[in-house]
Amino acid sequence: GESVGLHLPTLSVQEGDNSIINCAYSNSASDYFIWYKQESGKGPQFIIDIRSNMDKRQGQRVTVLLNKTVKHLSLQIAATQPGDSAVYFCAESLSQGAQKLVFGQGTRLTINP
Amino acid sequence: GAGVSQSPSNKVTEKGKDVELRCDPISGHTALYWYRQSLGQGLEFLIYFQGNSAPDKSGLPSDRFSAERTGGSVSTLTIQRTQQEDSAVYLCASSLVGTGRQPQHFGDGTRLSIL
Repeated sequence: GESVGLHLPTLSVQEGDNSIINCAYSNSASDYFIWYKQESGKGPQFIIDIRSNMDKRQGQRVTVLLNKTVKHLSLQIAATQPGDSAVYFCAESLSQGAQKLVFGQGTRLTINP
Repeated sequence: GAGVSQSPSNKVTEKGKDVELRCDPISGHTALYWYRQSLGQGLEFLIYFQGNSAPDKSGLPSDRFSAERTGGSVSTLTIQRTQQEDSAVYLCASSLVGTGRQPQHFGDGTRLSIL
């Protein structure tokens, strides 16, 4: 796992702009990746997932990109809204063994009016 | 439909006491997971149950932590002789298990504070 602390990376964007949140994952053997959104006092909420045999997947207003060469994952949110303000976590899972998720440290997204 | 339900939502207890946390997974989900989230940090895997298979306990931090899942549904996480470093939010998730990977869906957690 990654070293984490109390000060999360923060991304501030203007309402209506597009947001890109990046994540570097740790294990080249991971074959499944998920993005979660966590609001204060709530549990993580599933946004979108992607398997390692894909490099792009789109949902409603969100796109996930996977670059296995450099072990990089990104979440793009189109036309950000105030309700998008939250902490975003990426998570990875290995193909072998238990399907536990290994979470990144999270990025706090703040939307400016 | 109903999501993952956890109780209590908050628990404050004195150091040295035992606590029991409960998780009701989404109906029909055969896989159940417990994670711990310390203040301002990511989630740390604790334990995983799948059907009647032996649970994966590889994430439990000490032998004071145990969990069980009765009847393939409800799960309880027990922490004995609590310590201050056990203070965290304990999150439960459940998922379907099929031929492909399925996302885990989380409850809102139990916020545990050890005085």
